[in-house]
Amino acid sequence: GQQLNQSPQSMFIQEGEDVSMNCTSSSIFNTWLWYKQDPGEGPVLLIALYKAGELTSNGRLTAQFGITRKDSFLNISASIPSDVGIYFCAGQLRTGGFKTIFGAGTRLFVKA
Amino acid sequence: DGGITQSPKYLFRKEGQNVTLSCEQNLNHDAMYWYRQDPGQGLRLIYYSQIVNDFQKGDIAEGYSVSREKKESFPLTVTSAQKNPTAFYLCASSIVTGTSEETQYFGPGTRLLVL
Repeated sequence: GQQLNQSPQSMFIQEGEDVSMNCTSSSIFNTWLWYKQDPGEGPVLLIALYKAGELTSNGRLTAQFGITRKDSFLNISASIPSDVGIYFCAGQLRTGGFKTIFGAGTRLFVKA
Repeated sequence: DGGITQSPKYLFRKEGQNVTLSCEQNLNHDAMYWYRQDPGQGLRLIYYSQIVNDFQKGDIAEGYSVSREKKESFPLTVTSAQKNPTAFYLCASSIVTGTSEETQYFGPGTRLLVL
């Protein structure tokens, strides 16, 4: 079945540093989504990408839909303590209906 | 305010007991989903429903049941057949547009603990 490989699994960084994480797959996706989950809460959508090559920003966050449609990355610039959480990528396939597959998440720790 | 609500926030279950988790949305979304999240793992799909009175099994449906009698409600029952029910349960909903856009929005989750 389809799988997403999300890396890194966890990151420990200093406040002010930039962060990069990515997802790759052997499958082609129609849509890539990036979510953030705070402890004990549900994931919140950060960025949605709908076209190959698309580069989208949301404040300090930037995400890109890979040209091959098999990968995506998320960058966070100038990290702050409230960036702490789990970041999930999700790829969507149109298969009659839609199927959404989630990566295992990247746990981000920011040291002030 | 529009959104997705899940209740309760925490739920304790005794061995052999069925429990039902509530999920309500007032976003007028067509589709609703239930996911299970275990520590260090991604989200695994339990059941989903794209229209009222219809639902489909996800990847880990065994030991769970759902109903979709109303568009805004999609309760999940964790039955005694689910041998390892301790987890964080997330409900989500999305609008079906017929295009490539079907972004899922999540509720705040319910943490289920077995006593």
